[in-house]
Amino acid sequence: GNSVTQMEGPVTLSEEAFLTINCTYTATGYPSLFWYVQYPGEGLQLLLKATKADDKGSNKGFEATYRKETTSFHLEKGSVQVSDSAVYFCALRSSSGSARQLTFGSGTQLTVLP
Amino acid sequence: GAVVSQHPSWVICKSGTSVKIECRSLDFQATTMFWYRQFPKQSLMLMATSNEGSKATYEQGVEKDKFLINHASLTLSTLTVTSAHPEDSSFYICSAFPYSNQPQHFGDGTRLSIL
Repeated sequence: GNSVTQMEGPVTLSEEAFLTINCTYTATGYPSLFWYVQYPGEGLQLLLKATKADDKGSNKGFEATYRKETTSFHLEKGSVQVSDSAVYFCALRSSSGSARQLTFGSGTQLTVLP
Repeated sequence: GAVVSQHPSWVICKSGTSVKIECRSLDFQATTMFWYRQFPKQSLMLMATSNEGSKATYEQGVEKDKFLINHASLTLSTLTVTSAHPEDSSFYICSAFPYSNQPQHFGDGTRLSIL
């Protein structure tokens, strides 16, 4: 079955530091890959996505590249801000079958200190 | 953009009470919605897939008589936690997507606390 393995947290960085959150996946076919962000007490917001190999998703300074050869979709940001403090979830959606549910990683708590 | 509204955002009630949570797609129709449960500091666990006009599909281990799902229209799905007990306390989140190849959009979640 599908699975997502995500870098365990928590991750604590100083403002303007470089961020990497690792994500690897196991799936058949060609899944779509997503990063969602969850702020305290809220639901999930789509941060970025990629639907095929070598696609790069980007939003709000965050980037992730769909690497089929390494089955990875690592999240990066060059300079984090305090407002980026949240929980980040990597997720995939299978390309096969009729279901559209997401498979989530375990989430990574990011805290950015001023 | 696509918006999913979830209500209420916070519920506190006594043990034995039934609680209904609503999930609405505000600017699109959704034949399928998803219900997730999230424990503190953990990931989302898919509970069930809600299908408009038909029975919901429950994940293994989720009691369908405990968590009743109704998807009577293309913009509304409800989750009713029947005879809730303290162990049902959790954060419940719904999601829907406008088209089959579009990302899911999530509601803001409902925090359920059973005393």
